[in-house]
Amino acid sequence: SQKIEQNSEALNIQEGKTATLTCNYTNYSPAYLQWYRQDPGRGPVFLLLIRENEKEKRKERLKVTFDTTLKQSLFHITASQPADSATYLCALETNFGNEKLTFGTGTRLTIIP
Amino acid sequence: DSGVTQTPKHLITATGQRVTLRCSPRSGDLSVYWYQQSLDQGLQFLIQYYNGEERAKGNILERFSAQQFPDLHSELNLSSLELGDSALYFCASSVGAGGYTFGSGTRLTVV
Repeated sequence: SQKIEQNSEALNIQEGKTATLTCNYTNYSPAYLQWYRQDPGRGPVFLLLIRENEKEKRKERLKVTFDTTLKQSLFHITASQPADSATYLCALETNFGNEKLTFGTGTRLTIIP
Repeated sequence: DSGVTQTPKHLITATGQRVTLRCSPRSGDLSVYWYQQSLDQGLQFLIQYYNGEERAKGNILERFSAQQFPDLHSELNLSSLELGDSALYFCASSVGAGGYTFGSGTRLTVV
């Protein structure tokens, strides 16, 4: 069956360090992989999208890699700040006739001052 | 403000009742998606509409239905409500292949 797994439910990182979150998937052939940030009680906010033929994407302090052979994406936040504390969700989008976005269960990231 | 508007923000209702959740997508976005988020299930895709037509269906119960109107706003109807339907319901919109813009959600509590 199709599955999206994010490395851990919770991750604590010291301020200033790089936070690395992992998203693994099985039985998918995603056209796109996306990362979202969600704060408690709020809707997810889109951060980055990476296509199946792209290896890496950057946006300010964020970096996403996508390895379709390993079926894995890594999400990095460099020079982390307490304001980066949130739940981060990866999501896969296939283009088999629809644009349904399927989400992982998320990793709750806490940046410790 | 994300540009996707959901009303109401909170809803408390009794078991067996019916409610309607409303979503106005971001200007120019033709696709509307509905998601349910509960503590133990994460974000679950319910249904997608594109320019008034149903495009994709997820794990949506038969007691739930949705529609998208000519002005592109969408409504999610939940009937014969059960305690387990208590959750956050999100609407999202997109203009095509790319990131989705989510609304702030409707928190439904069934008592």
